[in-house]
Amino acid sequence: DGGITQSPKYLFRKEGQNVTLSCEQNLNHDAMYWYRQDPGQGLRLIYYSQIVNDFQKGDIAEGYSVSREKKESFPLTVTSAQKNPTAFYLCASSMFSGSSEAFFGQGTRLTVV
Amino acid sequence: EDQVTQSPEALRLQEGESSSLNCSYTVSGLRGLFWYRQDPGKGPEFLFTLYSAGEEKEKERLKATLTKKESFLHITAPKPEDSATYLCAVQASDPGGTSYGKLTFGQGTILTVHP
Repeated sequence: DGGITQSPKYLFRKEGQNVTLSCEQNLNHDAMYWYRQDPGQGLRLIYYSQIVNDFQKGDIAEGYSVSREKKESFPLTVTSAQKNPTAFYLCASSMFSGSSEAFFGQGTRLTVV
Repeated sequence: EDQVTQSPEALRLQEGESSSLNCSYTVSGLRGLFWYRQDPGKGPEFLFTLYSAGEEKEKERLKATLTKKESFLHITAPKPEDSATYLCAVQASDPGGTSYGKLTFGQGTILTVHP
């Protein structure tokens, strides 16, 4: 089945530690996105990538980094510089940048311990 | 700056009691308005895309409509399985002609349908 796979589903981070969230898609989509979701708030864009080896900052990129070495993969690293990382992280993809439907993965819930 | 406001924040219905969810938006130029359904602990599931005022789309008990300032998601004779958070998002047209597909989301409406 085609889709977007995020892993792990749950992730715990210690203070000062970097962690990486995985996002893989087999939909042959060009564009991929990372969103953050906090309780009672809408999704906020962290980073997006239109093509391989290219990515741009979204609205809340501070404390995060990404890479896009392969079309299928768009991992997100939450660095120690992100002061409030506890949230639900969602990866999405669309056929090309500016296309209509974005399809989402099942999310990773990150908790700082 | 693009803005999306959804109301009410939460809505409780009895099974079979029809109602509507509202999504008000401000955007420099609307490329598309999207409705998603999200179950607890899951990623959003795409429902509808609306592109121009007057457009309507239907899927089972759901019907989405669009005006120049807002969109409605009408739920007819809801069932308990319709309980979820419904998200609205807008995509602005890019003056440079190279929209990157950014979606601006509202905070969502939590719908609970009691049997």
